[in-house]
Amino acid sequence: AQSVSQHNHHVILSEAASLELGCNYSYGGTVNLFWYVQYPGQHLQLLLKYFSGDPLVKGIKGFEAEFIKSKFSFNLRKPSVQWSDTAEYFCAVSFHNTDKLIFGTGTRLQVFP
Amino acid sequence: DVKVTQSSRYLVKRTGEKVFLECVQDMDHENMFWYRQDPGLGLRLIYFSYDVKMKEKGDIPEGYSVSREKKERFSLILESASTNQTSMYLCASSSGTSGIGSGFFGPGTRLTVL
Repeated sequence: AQSVSQHNHHVILSEAASLELGCNYSYGGTVNLFWYVQYPGQHLQLLLKYFSGDPLVKGIKGFEAEFIKSKFSFNLRKPSVQWSDTAEYFCAVSFHNTDKLIFGTGTRLQVFP
Repeated sequence: DVKVTQSSRYLVKRTGEKVFLECVQDMDHENMFWYRQDPGLGLRLIYFSYDVKMKEKGDIPEGYSVSREKKERFSLILESASTNQTSMYLCASSSGTSGIGSGFFGPGTRLTVL
Protein backbone atom coordinates (compact mmCIF):
# COMPACT_ATOMS: atom_id res chain seq x y z
CA ALA A 1 0.00 0.00 0.00
CA GLN A 2 1.12 3.54 -0.67
CA SER A 3 2.40 5.27 2.42
CA VAL A 4 4.22 8.35 3.63
CA SER A 5 6.72 8.29 6.48
CA GLN A 6 7.87 11.20 8.59
CA HIS A 7 10.72 10.05 10.77
CA ASN A 8 10.84 12.91 13.23
CA HIS A 9 7.79 13.02 15.48
CA HIS A 10 8.93 15.85 17.72
CA VAL A 11 11.74 18.29 17.04
CA ILE A 12 12.96 20.94 19.47
CA LEU A 13 15.25 23.71 18.26
CA SER A 14 16.56 27.06 19.37
CA GLU A 15 15.97 30.11 17.24
CA ALA A 16 18.45 30.49 14.34
CA ALA A 17 19.12 26.75 14.21
CA SER A 18 18.79 24.99 10.90
CA LEU A 19 15.88 22.65 10.28
CA GLU A 20 15.50 19.52 8.20
CA LEU A 21 12.40 17.33 8.44
CA GLY A 22 12.44 14.00 6.70
CA CYS A 23 9.72 12.62 4.44
CA ASN A 24 9.77 9.38 2.47
CA TYR A 25 7.06 7.76 0.41
CA SER A 26 6.54 4.28 -0.93
CA TYR A 27 5.52 4.34 -4.58
CA GLY A 28 7.50 4.01 -7.77
CA GLY A 29 5.26 5.95 -10.11
CA THR A 30 4.45 9.59 -10.70
CA VAL A 31 3.87 11.57 -7.54
CA ASN A 32 3.03 15.09 -6.51
CA LEU A 33 4.55 16.14 -3.20
CA PHE A 34 3.43 18.64 -0.60
CA TRP A 35 4.34 20.07 2.76
CA TYR A 36 1.60 21.54 4.92
CA VAL A 37 1.88 23.45 8.17
CA GLN A 38 -0.63 23.76 10.97
CA TYR A 39 0.03 26.55 13.45
CA PRO A 40 -1.61 26.15 16.86
CA GLY A 41 -5.35 26.65 16.52
CA GLN A 42 -5.19 27.43 12.83
CA HIS A 43 -6.10 25.85 9.49
CA LEU A 44 -3.83 23.52 7.64
CA GLN A 45 -1.90 25.64 5.13
CA LEU A 46 0.13 24.70 2.10
CA LEU A 47 3.84 25.50 2.53
CA LEU A 48 5.10 24.26 -0.82
CA LYS A 49 4.47 21.69 -3.51
CA TYR A 50 6.32 19.79 -6.19
CA PHE A 51 4.68 18.61 -9.40
CA SER A 52 7.55 18.52 -11.90
CA GLY A 53 10.65 20.41 -13.00
CA ASP A 54 13.32 21.73 -10.66
CA PRO A 55 13.50 19.28 -7.74
CA LEU A 56 14.41 22.09 -5.35
CA VAL A 57 11.20 23.84 -4.46
CA LYS A 58 10.92 27.09 -2.57
CA GLY A 59 7.85 27.81 -0.49
CA ILE A 60 6.52 30.47 1.79
CA LYS A 61 8.25 31.78 4.93
CA GLY A 62 11.73 30.77 3.80
CA PHE A 63 11.05 27.04 3.59
CA GLU A 64 12.33 24.83 0.80
CA ALA A 65 12.21 21.14 -0.02
CA GLU A 66 14.19 18.88 -2.28
CA PHE A 67 12.71 15.98 -4.22
CA ILE A 68 15.20 13.13 -4.55
CA LYS A 69 13.51 10.56 -6.74
CA SER A 70 16.13 7.85 -6.20
CA LYS A 71 15.58 8.07 -2.44
CA PHE A 72 11.79 8.53 -2.61
CA SER A 73 12.32 11.54 -0.37
CA PHE A 74 11.03 15.09 -0.09
CA ASN A 75 12.74 16.66 2.91
CA LEU A 76 11.77 20.08 4.22
CA ARG A 77 14.48 22.57 5.14
CA LYS A 78 14.89 26.02 6.57
CA PRO A 79 18.33 27.51 7.24
CA SER A 80 17.32 29.53 10.30
CA VAL A 81 14.13 28.88 12.24
CA GLN A 82 12.15 31.43 14.20
CA TRP A 83 9.95 31.08 17.26
CA SER A 84 6.95 31.68 14.96
CA ASP A 85 7.76 28.45 13.09
CA THR A 86 6.48 26.47 16.06
CA ALA A 87 3.80 24.30 14.47
CA GLU A 88 3.01 20.83 13.22
CA TYR A 89 4.31 19.94 9.77
CA PHE A 90 2.79 17.34 7.49
CA CYS A 91 4.23 15.79 4.38
CA ALA A 92 1.68 14.58 1.83
CA VAL A 93 1.77 12.77 -1.48
CA SER A 94 -0.73 12.31 -4.26
CA PHE A 95 -0.37 9.44 -6.69
CA HIS A 96 -1.42 8.91 -10.30
CA ASN A 97 -2.07 12.66 -10.61
CA THR A 98 -5.17 12.31 -8.47
CA ASP A 99 -6.29 14.73 -5.81
CA LYS A 100 -6.25 12.09 -3.10
CA LEU A 101 -3.61 13.11 -0.60
CA ILE A 102 -1.90 10.60 1.65
CA PHE A 103 -0.42 12.28 4.70
CA GLY A 104 2.44 11.40 6.95
CA THR A 105 1.91 11.29 10.69
CA GLY A 106 3.24 14.80 11.20
CA THR A 107 6.21 16.38 12.95
CA ARG A 108 5.71 18.70 15.86
CA LEU A 109 8.31 21.47 15.83
CA GLN A 110 8.98 23.58 18.89
CA VAL A 111 11.31 26.55 18.57
CA PHE A 112 12.56 28.23 21.72
CA PRO A 113 13.81 31.83 21.80
CA ASP B 1 -12.22 35.86 2.30
CA VAL B 2 -14.34 32.83 3.15
CA LYS B 3 -13.17 29.67 1.38
CA VAL B 4 -14.05 26.43 3.22
CA THR B 5 -16.32 26.56 6.22
CA GLN B 6 -17.41 23.82 8.56
CA SER B 7 -20.66 24.02 10.48
CA SER B 8 -19.20 23.63 13.97
CA ARG B 9 -15.77 24.08 15.55
CA TYR B 10 -16.65 21.91 18.54
CA LEU B 11 -19.30 19.23 18.88
CA VAL B 12 -20.16 16.87 21.73
CA LYS B 13 -22.42 13.89 21.04
CA ARG B 14 -23.46 10.72 22.82
CA THR B 15 -22.75 7.17 21.70
CA GLY B 16 -25.37 5.98 19.23
CA GLU B 17 -26.43 9.42 18.06
CA LYS B 18 -26.57 10.27 14.37
CA VAL B 19 -24.12 13.09 13.65
CA PHE B 20 -23.96 15.42 10.67
CA LEU B 21 -20.84 17.42 9.86
CA GLU B 22 -21.35 20.04 7.17
CA CYS B 23 -18.77 21.58 4.86
CA VAL B 24 -19.35 24.41 2.43
CA GLN B 25 -16.92 25.90 -0.08
CA ASP B 26 -17.41 29.08 -2.05
CA MET B 27 -14.81 28.55 -4.79
CA ASP B 28 -16.89 26.43 -7.19
CA HIS B 29 -14.51 23.53 -6.67
CA GLU B 30 -15.38 20.14 -8.13
CA ASN B 31 -13.53 18.04 -5.58
CA MET B 32 -14.29 17.78 -1.89
CA PHE B 33 -12.75 15.62 0.81
CA TRP B 34 -13.27 14.58 4.40
CA TYR B 35 -10.27 13.68 6.57
CA ARG B 36 -9.90 12.89 10.23
CA GLN B 37 -6.84 14.02 12.15
CA ASP B 38 -5.58 12.11 15.16
CA PRO B 39 -2.37 12.64 17.15
CA GLY B 40 0.40 10.41 15.88
CA LEU B 41 -1.65 9.26 12.90
CA GLY B 42 -1.71 12.38 10.76
CA LEU B 43 -4.65 12.93 8.43
CA ARG B 44 -6.54 9.98 7.03
CA LEU B 45 -8.99 10.19 4.14
CA ILE B 46 -12.54 9.09 4.93
CA TYR B 47 -14.48 9.90 1.76
CA PHE B 48 -14.17 12.16 -1.24
CA SER B 49 -16.29 13.40 -4.09
CA TYR B 50 -15.36 14.54 -7.57
CA ASP B 51 -18.79 15.78 -8.52
CA VAL B 52 -22.31 16.28 -7.30
CA LYS B 53 -23.95 13.02 -6.19
CA MET B 54 -20.65 11.19 -6.63
CA LYS B 55 -18.70 9.72 -3.74
CA GLU B 56 -15.76 7.41 -3.30
CA LYS B 57 -14.39 5.67 -0.25
CA GLY B 58 -11.12 6.77 1.16
CA ASP B 59 -8.85 4.79 3.44
CA ILE B 60 -11.10 4.61 6.52
CA PRO B 61 -14.78 4.80 5.42
CA GLU B 62 -16.15 2.35 7.99
CA GLY B 63 -18.77 3.92 10.21
CA TYR B 64 -19.19 6.97 7.96
CA SER B 65 -21.27 7.98 4.97
CA VAL B 66 -21.38 11.17 2.90
CA SER B 67 -23.78 13.23 0.86
CA ARG B 68 -23.13 15.70 -1.96
CA GLU B 69 -26.40 17.05 -3.25
CA LYS B 70 -24.99 20.44 -4.25
CA LYS B 71 -21.60 21.33 -5.62
CA GLU B 72 -20.69 23.61 -2.74
CA ARG B 73 -21.74 21.31 0.10
CA PHE B 74 -20.28 18.01 1.30
CA SER B 75 -21.73 16.37 4.39
CA LEU B 76 -20.17 13.69 6.55
CA ILE B 77 -22.58 11.46 8.44
CA LEU B 78 -21.88 9.25 11.42
CA GLU B 79 -24.86 6.91 11.42
CA SER B 80 -24.33 5.76 15.01
CA ALA B 81 -21.52 7.63 16.72
CA SER B 82 -19.01 5.66 18.74
CA THR B 83 -16.28 6.79 21.12
CA ASN B 84 -13.55 5.80 18.66
CA GLN B 85 -14.88 8.44 16.30
CA THR B 86 -13.80 11.17 18.70
CA SER B 87 -11.43 13.15 16.50
CA MET B 88 -10.76 16.33 14.56
CA TYR B 89 -12.54 16.28 11.20
CA LEU B 90 -11.17 18.35 8.34
CA CYS B 91 -12.91 19.16 5.09
CA ALA B 92 -11.01 20.21 1.97
CA SER B 93 -11.84 21.22 -1.57
CA SER B 94 -9.89 21.58 -4.78
CA SER B 95 -10.36 22.42 -8.42
CA GLY B 96 -10.44 19.55 -10.86
CA THR B 97 -8.09 21.36 -13.20
CA SER B 98 -5.58 22.80 -10.75
CA GLY B 99 -5.49 19.90 -8.36
CA ILE B 100 -5.24 19.59 -4.61
CA GLY B 101 -2.24 21.91 -4.56
CA SER B 102 -4.63 24.73 -5.24
CA GLY B 103 -7.10 23.57 -2.67
CA PHE B 104 -8.00 24.68 0.82
CA PHE B 105 -8.76 23.06 4.13
CA GLY B 106 -11.49 24.12 6.49
CA PRO B 107 -10.86 25.03 10.13
CA GLY B 108 -11.89 21.60 11.39
CA THR B 109 -14.60 20.25 13.68
CA ARG B 110 -13.46 18.73 16.94
CA LEU B 111 -15.97 15.99 17.70
CA THR B 112 -16.18 14.34 21.10
CA VAL B 113 -18.35 11.25 21.47
CA LEU B 114 -19.20 10.40 25.07
